[in-house]
Amino acid sequence: GQQLNQSPQSMFIQEGEDVSMNCTSSSIFNTWLWYKQDPGEGPVLLIALYKAGELTSNGRLTAQFGITRKDSFLNISASIPSDVGIYFCAGTDSGAGSYQLTFGKGTKLSVIP
Amino acid sequence: DSGVTQTPKHLITATGQRVTLRCSPRSGDLSVYWYQQSLDQGLQFLIQYYNGEERAKGNILERFSAQQFPDLHSELNLSSLELGDSALYFCASSGTASGANVLTFGAGSRLTVL
Repeated sequence: GQQLNQSPQSMFIQEGEDVSMNCTSSSIFNTWLWYKQDPGEGPVLLIALYKAGELTSNGRLTAQFGITRKDSFLNISASIPSDVGIYFCAGTDSGAGSYQLTFGKGTKLSVIP
Repeated sequence: DSGVTQTPKHLITATGQRVTLRCSPRSGDLSVYWYQQSLDQGLQFLIQYYNGEERAKGNILERFSAQQFPDLHSELNLSSLELGDSALYFCASSGTASGANVLTFGAGSRLTVL
């Protein structure tokens, strides 16, 4: 089945710094989604991407659907303490005949005030 | 509040036992998905139901089963529990049958098997 590699696994940053994380797949994806999970909660959708090359922003968050359709990145600008959590990428590989979302293992973000 | 309701929030039980986790999807959503999240693991897809019918199956063990009822709520049954079944179990819902759609997740049920 399709594999998603998400990096980095964890990161510690100073409040106010910018953050970048990415996801790569072993096959071509048709959809990329980025979710955030706060402690004790379920994942919440941040950004959805549906076209290769698409660049979408949501406040301080920006995500892009890679041109090769095998990768995506998420940037967070001017981080604040409430950005703490686990960020998951997810995507669908319709070429494999499966329309289920595959999730990466997450990037755990810690923000030092 | 995402609109997806899961109960119970926490559950502690012993090996060999059976438990049932319950999920009510967001109003109007016909698809329900179950995911398992173990420590240091991502979200593993277990199973999907659409309007009462099983739609897709992932890495679901034979000891686990699920169903979706006419009122669209879903239950995940876990039997002959083992220590390794301890995890967070998430339910998610979407409006259509395609698993490629954006999913709305519940807050999860944390299962601890002792």
